Amino acid sequence: DSGVTQTPKHLITATGQRVTLRCSPRSGDLSVYWYQQSLDQGLQFLIQYYNGEERAKGNILERFSAQQFPDLHSELNLSSLELGDSALYFCASSAVTSGWNNEQFFGPGTRLTVL
Amino acid sequence: DAKTTQPPSMDCAEGRAANLPCNHSTISGNEYVYWYRQIHSQGPQYIIHGLKNNETNEMASLIITEDRKSSTLILPHATLRDTAVYYCIVRPLGRGATNKLIFGTGTLLAVQP
Repeated sequence: DSGVTQTPKHLITATGQRVTLRCSPRSGDLSVYWYQQSLDQGLQFLIQYYNGEERAKGNILERFSAQQFPDLHSELNLSSLELGDSALYFCASSAVTSGWNNEQFFGPGTRLTVL
Repeated sequence: DAKTTQPPSMDCAEGRAANLPCNHSTISGNEYVYWYRQIHSQGPQYIIHGLKNNETNEMASLIITEDRKSSTLILPHATLRDTAVYYCIVRPLGRGATNKLIFGTGTLLAVQP
């Protein structure tokens, strides 16, 4: 158990819909990261937040957005869903955003299926 | 794009050492080598990281060549639970460095009974 929790575990929805994925980082971790894993693209970094502020952006679509709240939990919002958005979405957290011992701890993921 | 090259798959007998190679010939002086693994559809798990010296922890050993262009992750006594995809990642550390992980395709290690 990494200490990172994600809800829901599974999500099935239809094209055009909007969903919200939730992540609670390890206690004390200030940084939260979102990754998408699909069969054709592999594991891809989407976005990072540090103490409530966006810190880095990856291949995140404009239909997707994220935020980190004062209690440090984070939400990833996916809208106008397409079939190709079906994937595993992982959240990770780390204590800081730079430094030597800065490994990321990953949650169990949310499996999104768009029908 | 990933800056590392790994074999797509490897087999290892249970109880034997698993040696997973990684090529990172374009690594920069401020970049570190990290290893993560992903057991079937679970979240990736941190294993070990290093700069230029060999590193060892309770999970594995990391051997980095003197020119830093390649490295080997060693699982000293592989078990069936070590069957997973192993990712070798290079990333910079230091103030201002992005902390995102760029995953390649990794090596699928199959530990055989």
